[in-house]
Amino acid sequence: AQSVAQPEDQVNVAEGNPLTVKCTYSVSGNPYLFWYVQYPNRGLQFLLKYITGDNLVKGSYGFEAEFNKSQTSFHLKKPSALVSDSALYFCAVSLRGGYQKVTFGTGTKLQVIP
Amino acid sequence: DGGITQSPKYLFRKEGQNVTLSCEQNLNHDAMYWYRQDPGQGLRLIYYSQIVNDFQKGDIAEGYSVSREKKESFPLTVTSAQKNPTAFYLCASRNTDTQYFGPGTRLTVL
Repeated sequence: AQSVAQPEDQVNVAEGNPLTVKCTYSVSGNPYLFWYVQYPNRGLQFLLKYITGDNLVKGSYGFEAEFNKSQTSFHLKKPSALVSDSALYFCAVSLRGGYQKVTFGTGTKLQVIP
Repeated sequence: DGGITQSPKYLFRKEGQNVTLSCEQNLNHDAMYWYRQDPGQGLRLIYYSQIVNDFQKGDIAEGYSVSREKKESFPLTVTSAQKNPTAFYLCASRNTDTQYFGPGTRLTVL
């Protein structure tokens, strides 16, 4: 079975400061890893993914994430937070190959304080 | 949200009624998915389809039904057997690795 853990229900950060949203995963095999963002009453928007290759992945809106195989982590980061980054963030994992099941974390609410 | 549409945006159901949620995609993706989102529980998979005329149950399929008669369309019916249907429903389609989501339908039981 595969699983995703987002240990923080909410992360608060001051505008202009760096932000980190944590994600760890468990899967028996090589993973695909994803980050999505959700604004209130909206669908999930794709931010970035790790498939293979460089462990540091850059995505939309200045976000990046680092794949760490030994720690089974895929933390989302941004050097300087904006108030408009305030939203719900989801980490997800699936096995590589075909249309494998995608498992989502429970989400982390990011609050950027002006 | 581009390329995947869901309708209606808001839906109200009376006890004992079946309702159907629409999901259409123009991304030419083979695979489509339905998720249910409840506060604090993340996304739970209801049904998915990897190809036309084929679909599989997800983790919480009881009380739901689907069809996949066309590649572009994957409607979800919430039946009266679903005892707690009030939730936010999300449809997604997938290329070889990434899922893309529609804007969602919020279903409320009156």
